[in-house]
Amino acid sequence: KNEVEQSPQNLTAQEGEFITINCSYSVGISALHWLQQHPGGGIVSLFMLSSGKKKHGRLIATINIQEKHSSLHITASHPRDSAVYICAVKDSNYQLIWGAGTKLIIKP
Amino acid sequence: SQTIHQWPATLVQPVGSPLSLECTVEGTSNPNLYWYRQAAGRGLQLLFYSVGIGQISSEVPQNLSASRPQDRQFILSSKKLLLSDSGFYLCAWTLGVAGGTNTGELFFGEGSRLTVL
Repeated sequence: KNEVEQSPQNLTAQEGEFITINCSYSVGISALHWLQQHPGGGIVSLFMLSSGKKKHGRLIATINIQEKHSSLHITASHPRDSAVYICAVKDSNYQLIWGAGTKLIIKP
Repeated sequence: SQTIHQWPATLVQPVGSPLSLECTVEGTSNPNLYWYRQAAGRGLQLLFYSVGIGQISSEVPQNLSASRPQDRQFILSSKKLLLSDSGFYLCAWTLGVAGGTNTGELFFGEGSRLTVL
């Protein structure tokens, strides 16, 4: 079993839908990252959080430390949100453990 | 502001040829540097990381090596490429744990797509 599990692996939705991507982990962490990988391959950091909730534009990230679970939400989704979303956790040794990613396609 | 440069962006090399991918970071000092590989349709695999000049940690034994000749320069090399070395290579940096203003965020280069024929 992977230490970081993302679900779903693939998600296709219509423009405007509310999107939720989940990340569960089994190790103690000091922080959790959400990143976005564009079709061309470049990766951009979206959030780093260790508790609570963060919001940036239409993106919201939450984390529940007790349940070892984080979610990434996209409101009013748009085709340009189509990308692979990756969850990564920083363990107690400050090493990063990566999820396999969730491929999101937003159809117009 | 901090930036990261990685090159070349695309590389097609024959089996047995050497490889050199370079990554430089600007606007910060003493970053932690990482080389990742992403095979098609798969997650990121950490290859090497460095917490300082000349300090290289290898996560996966393989045909590749890394060097950090300067504080903000990280090089991924191979003497003889294998077909299995094909993939998308990403350089990343983050401030060290003992760094000053440590946001802990990761910053990635644009990646280098390597095809070994």
